[in-house]
Amino acid sequence: GAGVSQTPSNKVTEKGKYVELRCDPISGHTALYWYRQSLGQGPEFLIYFQGTGAADDSGLPNDRFFAVRPEGSVSTLKIQRTERGDSAVYLCASSIKSRGLNGDTQYFGPGTRLTVL
Amino acid sequence: AQKVTQAQTEISVVEKEDVTLDCVYETRDTTYYLFWYKQPPSGELVFLIRRNSFDEQNEISGRYSWNFQKSTSSFNFTITASQVVDSAVYFCALSGFTGRRALTFGSGTRLQVQP
Repeated sequence: GAGVSQTPSNKVTEKGKYVELRCDPISGHTALYWYRQSLGQGPEFLIYFQGTGAADDSGLPNDRFFAVRPEGSVSTLKIQRTERGDSAVYLCASSIKSRGLNGDTQYFGPGTRLTVL
Repeated sequence: AQKVTQAQTEISVVEKEDVTLDCVYETRDTTYYLFWYKQPPSGELVFLIRRNSFDEQNEISGRYSWNFQKSTSSFNFTITASQVVDSAVYFCALSGFTGRRALTFGSGTRLQVQP
């Protein structure tokens, strides 16, 4: 497919467990972003990768959250010791660094709905 | 710090009415991008438009038009002759041009178009 893909689409886990959420960006997009959206709110930024490195992780709420992008393409968001407050839709977006038409525009995936019981 | 305000939480119109969604932003950046995204009931965020801060031309795309006014820090979105398929939550967002790349979103406006 041509768009951003995210797996799983739904994840239910128990409090205290570890989860991994995966994002596959649009081919050729060098920038990758993670956001979190709670019910009735706008998405909130978590972390941004340019290539393999985290260029901005200022949105990560605490050290239970971590993300990697080892080869500059697929990214995994990892949450340790999950809490009920982590329940939300986790969105991934990618963009290409360009001054051309719609360069730097973030295109979003369908999200992963995380429910922590 | 960046901030986006969408004061209208929910708007309900009847099909074929025109509707304007308001967006006001705050930023210290001298150059920045403004965006509108649509989130239909299916949940996926769909990109609608990107505007550069140095380009204040208004834009029209079919039934959609956008009014960018730097003097009032506003980037409003008008749907002409609304249709039921326009029912969705609409988000306005802001990002830096060279600095902070992350999007700062408003809280969204839920638009309900009644047949």
